[in-house]
Order: sequence, then structure tokens, then C-alpha cells
Amino acid sequence: AQSVTQPDIHITVSEGASLELRCNYSYGATPYLFWYVQSPGQGLQLLLKYFSGDTLVQGIKGFEAEFKRSQSSFNLRKPSVHWSDAAEYFCAVGAGSGGYNKLIFGAGTRLAVHP
Amino acid sequence: GAGVSQSPSNKVTEKGKDVELRCDPISGHTALYWYRQSLGQGLEFLIYFQGNSAPDKSGLPSDRFSAERTGGSVSTLTIQRTQQEDSAVYLCASSLALSTRHEQYFGPGTRLTVT
Repeated sequence: AQSVTQPDIHITVSEGASLELRCNYSYGATPYLFWYVQSPGQGLQLLLKYFSGDTLVQGIKGFEAEFKRSQSSFNLRKPSVHWSDAAEYFCAVGAGSGGYNKLIFGAGTRLAVHP
Repeated sequence: GAGVSQSPSNKVTEKGKDVELRCDPISGHTALYWYRQSLGQGLEFLIYFQGNSAPDKSGLPSDRFSAERTGGSVSTLTIQRTQQEDSAVYLCASSLALSTRHEQYFGPGTRLTVT
């Protein structure tokens, strides 16, 4: 069965520092991969997605992620974190028969940013 | 334009009562999804609709849960004989068409508390 693992439940970084959030997936076929962000009191917002092609994908708010098939990973990165990036981040894989019709989410990583 | 809306935003109910949660998708979106976000289970898929049809109900936790969609628009998630473990935030999302290649836009959620 498809699954997504986010090994880090909480991460704290200083403002201006670089960030990497880890995501590992389990899926037999070529996965569709996503990162979502959920800010306090806000809905889920898509940061970026990977379907095929270039394994380094750029998203909104200065985020990027790299798909590594050999490691079954899709880690999210940002070179310089801003205080407004404090939120919960979810990695997800598109799953289901046919057209990958549903999202399977990881447990999430809560990011805190120190000034 | 208008996003996905859900009502009510908060619902407190007594154990054993039935509840109905409503989702208004983005106009023109043919696919609609329900997810549940709870402390113990994270974000989990419940059901999706293509038009008024629900081809995949595999995520519904028990037969106390049901959902329908009418007119290819509004959807209602019904929980009968609520239990305390049903307490969670219920999220609705819609997309232009079925397949996770199309971005899912999430609503703000309905927070359900069963006392």
C-alpha cells in the first residue's frame, strides 16, 4: 500500500537559516508527489508538485524539492527561512487506481522559526 | 474568485447524535474530496466524487459515515450515531477534474467535537 513518512515531527530553525524537511514514500509505480503547507487557522495550500521530468521542482514562497527515486525521497528545501514560514508541512503522494485520484499524506512536520 | 467553503466551521454534538457537514466546491470543479485530520490519525482520505458518483469509498472509517453529492456541486458528509473518536477536522477539497494532476483546493474545514 502507498504510504508517506515524514521522520521529523517538529523542527526549529533560526530565521535566515536554511531548511530541509524530509519525506520518504512507498509506491510501486512512478509517484505523483506533493508538498502542502498549513498555517495556523489556514487551509492547506499547495507548495509544489512533481509528476515527471526534471527532478528538482520549484514552488511558491521560495521552496523547492528534489525527487530522488533511488532513495524514495522528496525532500523540501528553502535556502533562507522567514518567520512567516512557521507552519505545518505535509508531504503527500497521489494514489489510487487509474489516475491517481486521491492524496495519501504524511503525518506532517511542524516548523518553528526563532527570530 | 470564491474558494471551497464548508459549513459549519465548528460543530459540537453529543455522542450518539447524527451530524451533517456541508461542502461547497469551487464552481466548475467536477471532482470533490473529503479528508479527515485528527490528532491520532493525521490527514486521511475519506471519499471522492467524480460528478455525483463516488467510485472510491474505501476511506470511510465505518458504515456510520456516508456522503452524497447532488447536482455535481454541493456535497454532504453525514456521520450517524457519532462517537468520540469521530472528533476531528473534516476537510473538503475540489479540483477541476479527477486525478491528482489537477490541484486540489482545500476548504477551511469543519471542526467536529463529540462530547
